[in-house]
Amino acid sequence: ELTQPPSVSVSPGQTARIPCSGDVLPKRYVYWYQQKSGQAPVLVIYEDSKQPSGIPERFSGSTSGTVATLTISRAQVEDEADYYCYSADSNGNHWVFGGGTKLTVL
Amino acid sequence: EVQLVESGGGLVQPGGSLRLSCAASGFTFPRHWMTWVRQAPGKGLEWVANIKEDESEKYYADSVRGRFTISRDNAKNSLYLQMSSLRAEDTAVYYCARGTLFWDSRSGKWYRGGGGVDLWGQGTLVSVSS
Repeated sequence: ELTQPPSVSVSPGQTARIPCSGDVLPKRYVYWYQQKSGQAPVLVIYEDSKQPSGIPERFSGSTSGTVATLTISRAQVEDEADYYCYSADSNGNHWVFGGGTKLTVL
Repeated sequence: EVQLVESGGGLVQPGGSLRLSCAASGFTFPRHWMTWVRQAPGKGLEWVANIKEDESEKYYADSVRGRFTISRDNAKNSLYLQMSSLRAEDTAVYYCARGTLFWDSRSGKWYRGGGGVDLWGQGTLVSVSS
C-alpha cells in the first residue's frame, strides 16, 4: 500500500513537495505520474529520481527510507494536476498506485 | 508517432463480457512488458494486470483475478483485455501502458529496468450497468 496526502497547495514560484509512503519503498523503485483533468497520465519521474526526456527540470524525485517525495521547484499554474506514485510489491509482480495528490497552484 | 490506442469500451450489463484492444505503433512492441490500468469515475488509478513480452508471465490484481484475462499478439502489435462476469464496480476508463525498456551499451542488451510504465494510451470507457 502507498499513502499520499489528498491535496497540496502552493503559490506560484514556491516549491511543492508531495510525499508517498510505503513499506516496500526501500526495496522497490517508485514512479511518479502527472494527470491533468480529462487527460491520460504522464510519467514525470522514474526509478525514484530519474527524469524522462521532455519533463521540465523543476520536477525531481527522492527517497528516504519508506518515503518517496516528488518535488516541484518554482511551481507554475500549469503544474496543477493530480500526481500519483506507483511501485511494485516485494516480489515485483503486483503493482499499486498511491491514492493520488491534487496539487493546487494559486 | 509513438502511441497506444485503446478500443472496445462501451456499455455492458452486469455479468456480461467485453474485450478491450490496444494498438501500439511507433516502437518495437514485442520488446516491452505491457500493462492495463483503470480509473473509476472521479477516483484514482488502479493497476489491473500486466504481461511479459512473450506471454510467459501474467499478473493480475486481486479485484479482477479469475474474471479478466490479459493477452497480446506481437505480430499485430496489439494488447488485449478479455473481461467477463463484469460488475458495476468495474466501470472505469481503461488505459493500456507500455513498460519501460532501456539499452545497456556495455552488454549490448535491452533490459526492463524497474518495471514501471512510461507511455499511456488515451483510454477507453467501460460502463457496467443494467
